[in-house]
Amino acid sequence: QVQLQQWGAGLLKPSETLSLTCTVSGGSISSSGNYWGWIRQPPGKGLEWLGSVYYSGSTFYNPSLKSRVTISVDTSSNQFSLKLSSVTAADTAVYYCARHAGVISHYFDYWGQGTLVTVSS
Amino acid sequence: EIVLTQSPGTLSLSPGERATLSCRASQSVSNNVAWYQQKPGQAPRLLIYGPSSRATGIPERISGSGSGTDFTLTISRLEPEDFAMYYCQQYGKAPLTFGGGTKVQIK
Repeated sequence: QVQLQQWGAGLLKPSETLSLTCTVSGGSISSSGNYWGWIRQPPGKGLEWLGSVYYSGSTFYNPSLKSRVTISVDTSSNQFSLKLSSVTAADTAVYYCARHAGVISHYFDYWGQGTLVTVSS
Repeated sequence: EIVLTQSPGTLSLSPGERATLSCRASQSVSNNVAWYQQKPGQAPRLLIYGPSSRATGIPERISGSGSGTDFTLTISRLEPEDFAMYYCQQYGKAPLTFGGGTKVQIK
């Protein structure tokens, strides 16, 4: 059973960089069948996909955030990470890591528990 | 970007009733739609993909249909655990996008 466990700082000041990591257990992140992604949800609002990474390091991002988002993978640790630079209050949200169901099936079959990130001065 | 519009915003029904949720795409996404259920304080849970295949462990009372731009999630007989928020997602074209959600609440 695949499990995703995520962690990172929950309180940031404006202009800082958000950094979250997701560890995969019960399966290898180097599996050729999956991308690994990040999705966020502002309080009381809907879901927004941020971007995803393949074990090879190949990425694709949401253009709305592309200039501020970096997603990377560490296959030796079975982890992938999210960095979001220059945060503002609008970046306050619960951030989820998730697994794509397949290399071309870009829906999400396993999710992390979520991390609330609050941006406040 | 493909915009997904879900309707209605809120559905008030009683246990045992049928729920019909709609998701309309701003352009064709072929069959590339998934549905998720989310309860307060929890991560979304995959229900349906492709757009009529059930994810592992999803009961037969939950079904999906549609193609192109119009998709439907149907819950044939609502159980107490079905009262939640539901989101559709398209994966036909990047960026991946989600609908605004439909809340199914107890009447």
